[in-house]
Amino acid sequence: GAVVSQHPSWVICKSGTSVKIECRSLDFQATTMFWYRQFPKQSLMLMATSNEGSKATYEQGVEKDKFLINHASLTLSTLTVTSAHPEDSSFYICSAVLAGAGTQYFGPGTRLTVL
Amino acid sequence: DQQVKQNSPSLSVQEGRISILNCDYTNSMFDYFLWYKKYPAEGPTFLISISSIKDKNEDGRFTVFLNKSAKHLSLHIVPSQPGDSAVYFCAASAHGAGGTSYGKLTFGQGTILTVHP
Repeated sequence: GAVVSQHPSWVICKSGTSVKIECRSLDFQATTMFWYRQFPKQSLMLMATSNEGSKATYEQGVEKDKFLINHASLTLSTLTVTSAHPEDSSFYICSAVLAGAGTQYFGPGTRLTVL
Repeated sequence: DQQVKQNSPSLSVQEGRISILNCDYTNSMFDYFLWYKKYPAEGPTFLISISSIKDKNEDGRFTVFLNKSAKHLSLHIVPSQPGDSAVYFCAASAHGAGGTSYGKLTFGQGTILTVHP
């Protein structure tokens, strides 16, 4: 149980295009999902908290107009990187909270490369 | 400001021996701590957690110890196996009295564990 999927697992795009990444909790409902970013040899950095039915909460320094988050249902959150640039190339990871268990379960991550 | 620190970037251990991974934190509001294991190009996998009301939690080969006064936690793996080789992250969150444990996580930098056969 407690499986989280992400799609796509990797994506390569041209600079200036937008990329959407999906995060799904497959066997449980998650009112809260989190989006992280990990640059090479660095730790996971929280970008935003995604709450079902309400606006996402962004961490300091994360542009909300660039990283659009939509928590459409209790099992799906999407992150759209708008007008992507090479510096947005990173490993994006989502997590979902299993209510009552007190643990975040992570997706497998999405490798974004912007040319 | 690195609120969660893993000062050892890497650790090498012989198979069968104990692996001890350390983590320090500075934010006294943190009251829930977790350890995750991560392989390259994959998401972290939850290993074990501990609430601040405890000082030890054990699950099979994994034991986490928490020293609140020193703001220090450690993960012990006994016996270590080659399959344990991965990057280990400690993470912490602050939920306040009565809160459930699903707050934002602050991660350490990670420690690369290599277990030699």
